[in-house]
Amino acid sequence: DQQVKQNSPSLSVQEGRISILNCDYTNSMFDYFLWYKKYPAEGPTFLISISSIKDKNEDGRFTVFLNKSAKHLSLHIVPSQPGDSAVYFCAATARTYKYIFGTGTRLKVLA
Amino acid sequence: GAGVSQSPSNKVTEKGKDVELRCDPISGHTALYWYRQRLGQGLEFLIYFQGNSAPDKSGLPSDRFSAERTGESVSTLTIQRTQQEDSAVYLCASSLAWGGGYNEQFFGPGTRLTVL
Repeated sequence: DQQVKQNSPSLSVQEGRISILNCDYTNSMFDYFLWYKKYPAEGPTFLISISSIKDKNEDGRFTVFLNKSAKHLSLHIVPSQPGDSAVYFCAATARTYKYIFGTGTRLKVLA
Repeated sequence: GAGVSQSPSNKVTEKGKDVELRCDPISGHTALYWYRQRLGQGLEFLIYFQGNSAPDKSGLPSDRFSAERTGESVSTLTIQRTQQEDSAVYLCASSLAWGGGYNEQFFGPGTRLTVL
């Protein structure tokens, strides 16, 4: 049973436009959510996170939105840059050290 | 400073052989994780070490899988009698101790295991 789902395996966006990556979860106990970025042949690196007490967290070009009632979060990248091309994983946890990861979305930003 | 390192970066083995994967965490990180990522799948939790506490082995898929950690340093993941379905990228991550808050996990580059 996949508790964290990223239903879009891939996404292509023009440079300068907005990239929106989506993530859905099923466990209402999740209270902290993270996004990781992964380049080929490298490990995932932390990008941004959000606590369930918030509905938005912003860090430069990256903003994460959380809709608890819909059990949905999204990552917005504005403006998208070619260097943003990577696989993005969302992850969730419920007051524990164990993070549940989604299957990832491969973002390609076209120059 | 040095990040998390893993070796080997690639491993090709024959079905039935044993393999050992190594992880060197960031110095001072008492928590260490192993994950598996199969093709087209997400990161699958395997095992968690925290200091001298008993590890959380709840994610290990079978008794062919085992892991050890020496104190708060190097960890090895061993897969005995490898099967083709063990082919995956094995990722190690380390973090500060979990104490009710949320700590960033720092990942190594992974070991790509191919079982022929």
